[in-house]
Amino acid sequence: QVQLVQSGAEVKKPGASVKVSCKASGYSITGYYMHWVRQAPGQGLEWMGWINPNSGGTKYAPKFQGRVTMTRDTSISTAYMELSRLTSDDTAVYFCARDQGVETANDYWGQGTLVTVSS
Amino acid sequence: DIQMTQSPSTLSASVGDRVTITCRASQSISNWLAWYQQRPGKAPKLLIYEASTLEYGVPSRFSGSGSGTEFTLTISSLQPDDFATYYCQQCYGYPYTFGQGTKVEIK
Repeated sequence: QVQLVQSGAEVKKPGASVKVSCKASGYSITGYYMHWVRQAPGQGLEWMGWINPNSGGTKYAPKFQGRVTMTRDTSISTAYMELSRLTSDDTAVYFCARDQGVETANDYWGQGTLVTVSS
Repeated sequence: DIQMTQSPSTLSASVGDRVTITCRASQSISNWLAWYQQRPGKAPKLLIYEASTLEYGVPSRFSGSGSGTEFTLTISSLQPDDFATYYCQQCYGYPYTFGQGTKVEIK
C-alpha cells in the first residue's frame, strides 16, 4: 500500500534552515510528482510547491521562491523540502503529498512534520 | 493568485442532515477543483477531484459539482465520521490555493 512517512518534529532558531524528508513506499517515487503543503497552528492549508522526482524539476509558490528547495533521492525513494531563513511565521506542520496525476490533486499524504521556530 | 472563498466558515448540523458547502474562485478554473476532509491532528484526505469525481474508497454520500467559478460539496446524509473541516483547492493556476476551510460541527 502507498505510504509517505515523514521525518520527526524539529525545533529551530530564527534564521536557521530546516530539511524535512518524506519516504515513499508502495509505489515508484519517480512516477508521481510530490507536493509540499504547510499548515500553521489553527490555520488553513498553504501550498508550497512540487518536485518531479523523475527529472528533479520543481515549481515553487512565489511566496517561498528563494527560500525553499525541493530535492529527491530516488535511490531511497525519498523527497526533501528545505526551508531557509526561518522566522516564527514558519512555525507549522509541513506535509508531503503525492500528486495523483500530473499537477492535480493529492491522493496520499504524509503524517506531517511539526517545525517550531523559536528563539 | 486565484482566491478561493468557502462558505460558510462553520456549519452546525445533525447526523442524517444534508449538508452543502460552497467554494467560489476569483476567476474561472474550469473543473480543476479538489475537496479534502481534515480531522484534527491528521493529514487532509482527498474526497473529490476534478470538481465531481469521487476518489476511490470515498463513500457515495459525498458528491461534488460545479465548474468555472462556483462549486459545491454535498454530504447527502451526515454521519458521525463526517464532523471535520473541509477544504477546497484549485489546481488550475499557480500557485495552487486553498479555501479557508469549513468546519462541520455537531448541532
